[in-house]
Amino acid sequence: NAGVTQTPKFQVLKTGQSMTLQCAQDMNHNSMYWYRQDPGMGLRLIYYSASEGTTDKGEVPNGYNVSRLNKREFSLRLESAAPSQTSVYFCASSEGSGTDTQYFGPGTRLTVL
Amino acid sequence: AQSVTQPDIHITVSEGASLELRCNYSYGATPYLFWYVQSPGQGLQLLLKYFSGDTLVQGIKGFEAEFKRSQSSFNLRKPSVHWSDAAEYFCAVGSYEDYKLSFGAGTTVTVRA
Repeated sequence: NAGVTQTPKFQVLKTGQSMTLQCAQDMNHNSMYWYRQDPGMGLRLIYYSASEGTTDKGEVPNGYNVSRLNKREFSLRLESAAPSQTSVYFCASSEGSGTDTQYFGPGTRLTVL
Repeated sequence: AQSVTQPDIHITVSEGASLELRCNYSYGATPYLFWYVQSPGQGLQLLLKYFSGDTLVQGIKGFEAEFKRSQSSFNLRKPSVHWSDAAEYFCAVGSYEDYKLSFGAGTTVTVRA
Protein backbone atom coordinates (compact mmCIF):
# COMPACT_ATOMS: atom_id res chain seq x y z
CA ASN A 1 0.00 0.00 0.00
CA ALA A 2 1.98 3.01 -1.30
CA GLY A 3 -0.62 5.68 -0.42
CA VAL A 4 -0.16 8.75 -2.62
CA THR A 5 2.74 8.76 -5.07
CA GLN A 6 4.02 11.66 -7.15
CA THR A 7 6.45 11.88 -10.05
CA PRO A 8 8.88 13.42 -10.58
CA LYS A 9 10.43 14.39 -7.23
CA PHE A 10 12.46 17.23 -8.71
CA GLN A 11 12.21 19.16 -11.97
CA VAL A 12 13.95 22.17 -13.49
CA LEU A 13 12.25 23.92 -16.41
CA LYS A 14 13.02 26.92 -18.53
CA THR A 15 10.44 29.65 -18.90
CA GLY A 16 7.87 28.66 -21.51
CA GLN A 17 8.43 24.92 -21.28
CA SER A 18 5.58 22.60 -20.44
CA MET A 19 5.38 19.61 -18.16
CA THR A 20 2.93 17.31 -16.41
CA LEU A 21 3.11 16.29 -12.78
CA GLN A 22 1.70 12.85 -12.11
CA CYS A 23 -0.16 11.70 -9.01
CA ALA A 24 -1.66 8.33 -8.14
CA GLN A 25 -3.37 6.93 -5.05
CA ASP A 26 -4.14 3.34 -4.13
CA MET A 27 -6.62 3.98 -1.30
CA ASN A 28 -9.73 3.98 -3.53
CA HIS A 29 -10.39 7.59 -2.59
CA ASN A 30 -12.98 9.63 -4.42
CA SER A 31 -11.42 13.08 -4.08
CA MET A 32 -8.01 14.29 -5.16
CA TYR A 33 -6.26 17.64 -4.83
CA TRP A 34 -3.28 19.63 -6.08
CA TYR A 35 -1.64 22.19 -3.80
CA ARG A 36 1.35 24.43 -4.08
CA GLN A 37 3.48 25.35 -1.07
CA ASP A 38 5.43 28.59 -0.94
CA PRO A 39 7.36 29.98 2.05
CA GLY A 40 5.13 31.86 4.47
CA MET A 41 1.96 31.08 2.53
CA GLY A 42 1.05 27.60 3.68
CA LEU A 43 -0.65 25.35 1.16
CA ARG A 44 -2.83 26.85 -1.51
CA LEU A 45 -5.26 24.75 -3.48
CA ILE A 46 -4.75 24.82 -7.24
CA TYR A 47 -7.41 22.37 -8.46
CA TYR A 48 -9.37 19.54 -7.01
CA SER A 49 -11.46 16.64 -8.22
CA ALA A 50 -14.37 15.74 -5.95
CA SER A 51 -14.99 12.51 -7.85
CA GLU A 52 -13.94 10.73 -11.02
CA GLY A 53 -14.95 12.79 -14.02
CA THR A 54 -15.14 16.15 -12.24
CA THR A 55 -12.59 18.89 -11.66
CA ASP A 56 -12.91 22.33 -10.07
CA LYS A 57 -10.73 25.36 -9.60
CA GLY A 58 -9.19 26.11 -6.26
CA GLU A 59 -7.61 29.27 -4.94
CA VAL A 60 -4.79 29.68 -7.50
CA PRO A 61 -5.71 27.91 -10.78
CA ASN A 62 -4.21 30.34 -13.30
CA GLY A 63 -1.49 28.81 -15.47
CA TYR A 64 -2.48 25.22 -14.64
CA ASN A 65 -4.70 22.51 -16.05
CA VAL A 66 -5.67 19.16 -14.57
CA SER A 67 -6.95 15.80 -15.72
CA ARG A 68 -8.65 13.17 -13.60
CA LEU A 69 -7.57 10.26 -15.73
CA ASN A 70 -9.41 7.65 -13.66
CA LYS A 71 -10.21 7.15 -10.00
CA ARG A 72 -6.55 6.55 -9.13
CA GLU A 73 -4.77 9.24 -11.13
CA PHE A 74 -4.89 13.04 -11.16
CA SER A 75 -2.35 14.97 -13.20
CA LEU A 76 -1.36 18.65 -13.15
CA ARG A 77 -0.10 20.33 -16.31
CA LEU A 78 1.85 23.52 -16.74
CA GLU A 79 1.41 24.58 -20.37
CA SER A 80 3.92 27.44 -20.38
CA ALA A 81 5.95 27.55 -17.19
CA ALA A 82 6.77 30.87 -15.55
CA PRO A 83 9.25 31.66 -12.74
CA SER A 84 6.26 32.45 -10.48
CA GLN A 85 5.38 28.76 -10.66
CA THR A 86 8.59 27.79 -8.87
CA SER A 87 7.21 25.97 -5.85
CA VAL A 88 6.73 22.63 -4.14
CA TYR A 89 3.66 20.83 -5.43
CA PHE A 90 1.70 18.36 -3.35
CA CYS A 91 -0.99 15.96 -4.41
CA ALA A 92 -3.48 14.69 -1.83
CA SER A 93 -6.48 12.41 -1.73
CA SER A 94 -9.43 11.84 0.59
CA GLU A 95 -12.53 9.69 0.77
CA GLY A 96 -14.86 12.58 0.01
CA SER A 97 -15.66 15.93 1.51
CA GLY A 98 -13.73 18.57 3.43
CA THR A 99 -14.49 16.68 6.63
CA ASP A 100 -12.26 13.77 5.67
CA THR A 101 -8.57 13.40 6.31
CA GLN A 102 -6.44 14.25 3.31
CA TYR A 103 -3.43 12.04 2.63
CA PHE A 104 -0.48 13.72 1.00
CA GLY A 105 2.19 12.62 -1.43
CA PRO A 106 5.89 13.41 -0.90
CA GLY A 107 5.84 16.44 -3.19
CA THR A 108 7.51 17.66 -6.37
CA ARG A 109 10.04 20.48 -6.14
CA LEU A 110 9.79 22.52 -9.33
CA THR A 111 12.16 25.29 -10.35
CA VAL A 112 11.42 27.47 -13.36
CA LEU A 113 14.39 29.46 -14.63
CA ALA B 1 -15.59 31.56 3.63
CA GLN B 2 -13.46 29.59 6.02
CA SER B 3 -9.97 30.70 7.00
CA VAL B 4 -7.21 29.84 9.45
CA THR B 5 -4.64 32.04 11.18
CA GLN B 6 -1.49 30.73 12.81
CA PRO B 7 -0.06 33.77 14.62
CA ASP B 8 3.41 32.33 15.24
CA ILE B 9 5.67 31.93 12.23
CA HIS B 10 8.54 30.37 14.16
CA ILE B 11 8.90 28.92 17.65
CA THR B 12 12.09 27.71 19.31
CA VAL B 13 11.77 25.34 22.24
CA SER B 14 14.25 23.38 24.34
CA GLU B 15 14.15 19.60 24.25
CA GLY B 16 11.99 18.38 27.11
CA ALA B 17 10.06 21.63 27.40
CA SER B 18 6.39 22.00 26.64
CA LEU B 19 5.10 23.29 23.31
CA GLU B 20 1.93 25.13 22.36
CA LEU B 21 1.07 26.18 18.82
CA ARG B 22 -1.80 28.58 18.26
CA CYS B 23 -4.52 28.31 15.66
CA ASN B 24 -7.54 30.56 15.15
CA TYR B 25 -10.21 29.78 12.62
CA SER B 26 -13.05 31.62 10.99
CA TYR B 27 -16.09 29.63 9.93
CA GLY B 28 -19.81 30.21 10.36
CA ALA B 29 -20.95 26.66 11.04
CA THR B 30 -19.37 23.87 13.04
CA PRO B 31 -15.87 23.37 11.68
CA TYR B 32 -13.83 20.28 11.14
CA LEU B 33 -10.34 21.10 12.41
CA PHE B 34 -7.07 19.39 11.61
CA TRP B 35 -3.43 19.61 12.60
CA TYR B 36 -0.83 18.32 10.16
CA VAL B 37 2.95 18.04 10.55
CA GLN B 38 5.53 18.31 7.79
CA SER B 39 9.04 17.06 8.48
CA PRO B 40 11.80 18.53 6.31
CA GLY B 41 11.54 17.31 2.72
CA GLN B 42 8.40 15.30 3.42
CA GLY B 43 4.70 15.49 2.71
CA LEU B 44 2.11 16.35 5.35
CA GLN B 45 0.99 13.84 7.95
CA LEU B 46 -2.18 14.10 10.03
CA LEU B 47 -1.56 14.59 13.76
CA LEU B 48 -5.20 14.83 14.88
CA LYS B 49 -8.65 16.06 13.89
CA TYR B 50 -11.74 17.38 15.65
CA PHE B 51 -15.40 17.63 14.77
CA SER B 52 -17.53 17.16 17.83
CA GLY B 53 -17.59 15.63 21.28
CA ASP B 54 -14.81 16.02 23.79
CA THR B 55 -13.04 19.31 23.17
CA LEU B 56 -9.65 17.82 24.03
CA VAL B 57 -8.42 15.62 21.20
CA GLN B 58 -5.51 13.20 21.40
CA GLY B 59 -3.31 12.59 18.41
CA ILE B 60 -0.23 10.72 17.36
CA LYS B 61 3.30 11.35 18.68
CA GLY B 62 2.00 12.55 22.05
CA PHE B 63 0.23 15.64 20.71
CA GLU B 64 -3.14 16.93 21.84
CA ALA B 65 -5.32 19.87 20.84
CA GLU B 66 -8.09 21.75 22.59
CA PHE B 67 -11.10 23.19 20.76
CA LYS B 68 -12.48 26.40 22.27
CA ARG B 69 -15.55 27.58 20.40
CA SER B 70 -15.78 30.86 22.35
CA GLN B 71 -12.27 31.81 21.23
CA SER B 72 -12.45 30.21 17.76
CA SER B 73 -9.22 28.45 18.61
CA PHE B 74 -7.76 24.98 18.19
CA ASN B 75 -4.34 25.08 19.86
CA LEU B 76 -1.89 22.19 19.64
CA ARG B 77 0.14 21.10 22.65
CA LYS B 78 2.81 18.64 23.64
CA PRO B 79 4.00 18.31 27.26
CA SER B 80 7.61 17.37 26.48
CA VAL B 81 9.21 18.02 23.12
CA HIS B 82 11.70 15.65 21.48
CA TRP B 83 14.30 16.67 18.92
CA SER B 84 12.33 14.74 16.28
CA ASP B 85 9.42 17.18 16.73
CA ALA B 86 11.34 19.82 14.78
CA ALA B 87 9.08 20.37 11.79
CA GLU B 88 6.48 22.68 10.29
CA TYR B 89 2.96 22.44 11.67
CA PHE B 90 -0.19 23.37 9.81
CA CYS B 91 -3.68 23.96 11.13
CA ALA B 92 -6.57 23.46 8.68
CA VAL B 93 -10.35 23.83 8.65
CA GLY B 94 -12.87 21.94 6.53
CA SER B 95 -16.63 21.54 6.27
CA TYR B 96 -19.40 19.35 4.91
CA GLU B 97 -20.40 22.07 2.47
CA ASP B 98 -17.11 22.03 0.64
CA TYR B 99 -14.47 19.60 -0.53
CA LYS B 100 -11.64 21.92 0.30
CA LEU B 101 -9.47 22.38 3.35
CA SER B 102 -8.17 25.84 4.18
CA PHE B 103 -4.69 25.79 5.63
CA GLY B 104 -2.91 28.28 7.84
CA ALA B 105 0.50 29.61 6.85
CA GLY B 106 2.25 27.19 9.18
CA THR B 107 4.47 27.40 12.28
CA THR B 108 8.05 26.20 12.12
CA VAL B 109 9.28 24.56 15.32
CA THR B 110 12.97 24.42 16.11
CA VAL B 111 14.11 22.20 18.99
CA ARG B 112 17.37 23.09 20.72
CA ALA B 113 19.36 20.64 22.77
